Amino acid sequence: EAQVTQNPRYLITVTGKKLTVTCSQNMNHEYMSWYRQDPGLGLRQIYYSMNVEVTDKGDVPEGYKVSRKEKRNFPLILESPSPNQTSLYFCASSTREGADEKLFFGSGTQLSVL
Amino acid sequence: DQQVKQNSPSLSVQEGRISILNCDYTNSMFDYFLWYKKYPAEGPTFLISISSIKDKNEDGRFTVFLNKSAKHLSLHIVPSQPGDSAVYFCAASPTLYSGGGADGLTFGKGTHLIIQP
Repeated sequence: EAQVTQNPRYLITVTGKKLTVTCSQNMNHEYMSWYRQDPGLGLRQIYYSMNVEVTDKGDVPEGYKVSRKEKRNFPLILESPSPNQTSLYFCASSTREGADEKLFFGSGTQLSVL
Repeated sequence: DQQVKQNSPSLSVQEGRISILNCDYTNSMFDYFLWYKKYPAEGPTFLISISSIKDKNEDGRFTVFLNKSAKHLSLHIVPSQPGDSAVYFCAASPTLYSGGGADGLTFGKGTHLIIQP
């Protein structure tokens, strides 16, 4: 089954404690990205990756890091989480081919930073 | 500056009737538009898209209309069913490759559609 898998689904942590949210896709997609969803703000892009070892900032990259060492994995790293990073996070992937390209999203990670 | 606007945070429609969700955009460079549907505790899923060379695209009960001169698109659901209750996000991209690059998708804030029995 084609899917984007994020882990964990729920995470509660404290300010300053480094954490990583993993993301993996099994569709051999070149493009992957991370979004956060906040009430009243919709979905905002954090970082994206066009391919292995190619990453770039989205609209709200502050406080986040990413890496793309393998095509299927795109982890999101919070080196020193703060309460304003409490949010619902989504990983997504897509191919750049075809006339009907679209993003496939993971099920989300609800993060609470105390 | 919000480039994709969904001005109705919520919409309530009776089962069997037509649901119309609206979306406005300000960036004239956008030429590819998508609608995503999101249930609680799940990620958004692609619903339907339209390219700027068309003014209508239909897929079963779902139709998207695009009015480029007004920078407006709408999603029509006919007839509305209880399973359509969800948050609907409008998204736009300046390129056909909507998933990638600096020209990535810009999302609206979403409209919560509630279908009443």
